[in-house]
Amino acid sequence: SAVISQKPSRDICQRGTSLTIQCQVDSQVTMMFWYRQQPGQSLTLIATANQGSEATYESGFVIDKFPISRPNLTFSTLTVSNMSPEDSSIYLCSVVRRDRESKLGYGYTFGSGTRLTVV
Amino acid sequence: GQQVMQIPQYQHVQEGEDFTTYCNSSTTLSNIQWYKQRPGGHPVFLIQLVKSGEVKKQKRLTFQFGEAKKNSSLHITATQTTDVGTYFCAGPAEYGNKLVFGAGTILRVKS
Repeated sequence: SAVISQKPSRDICQRGTSLTIQCQVDSQVTMMFWYRQQPGQSLTLIATANQGSEATYESGFVIDKFPISRPNLTFSTLTVSNMSPEDSSIYLCSVVRRDRESKLGYGYTFGSGTRLTVV
Repeated sequence: GQQVMQIPQYQHVQEGEDFTTYCNSSTTLSNIQWYKQRPGGHPVFLIQLVKSGEVKKQKRLTFQFGEAKKNSSLHITATQTTDVGTYFCAGPAEYGNKLVFGAGTILRVKS
């Protein structure tokens, strides 16, 4: 499966500031996905990042608040802008890869996550 | 809109007991995936089921995909403390290349 390096692993930020989260994948992938997971909750897709085109945002998420860059096929960033305490959450990037041994099938590989606290 | 529902929300079992979590989709799925998230960790892909009625096993874990491809289950035999975490099912969205996740089942194991 893919290896994703995500950073920072955690941060405490002041309200009104912005934080950029980076994800580096060990191989080229067409799509990268950005999720948010609030404490004790499931995963909510923020946007899909394609190389060479604008990201596709899900309902409730806008580019001004969560700008995404995808400069090449192995890297993406998500910025959380003008943060408020409601943005405190875990942010995860992920990619779709087929299990190398073709036994498990296709699944998402997730980065280790960024635990964001806004004070 | 499309929904993936998962029950129970939470289960606390004695070590050695069995555990089952159930997943139901409002639409027919082309496949279903299962993930495990340990406390403080990130979701880890366990398996994908594609065929109607498919059953797959990973040691003490048994995964089933319903005949109608709208429901699935994960059964753990003789739970161990290492099984602790949240188990999510997920299916492809009707539109777009994305997954819809269930709410997850939190498993706690008493030793």
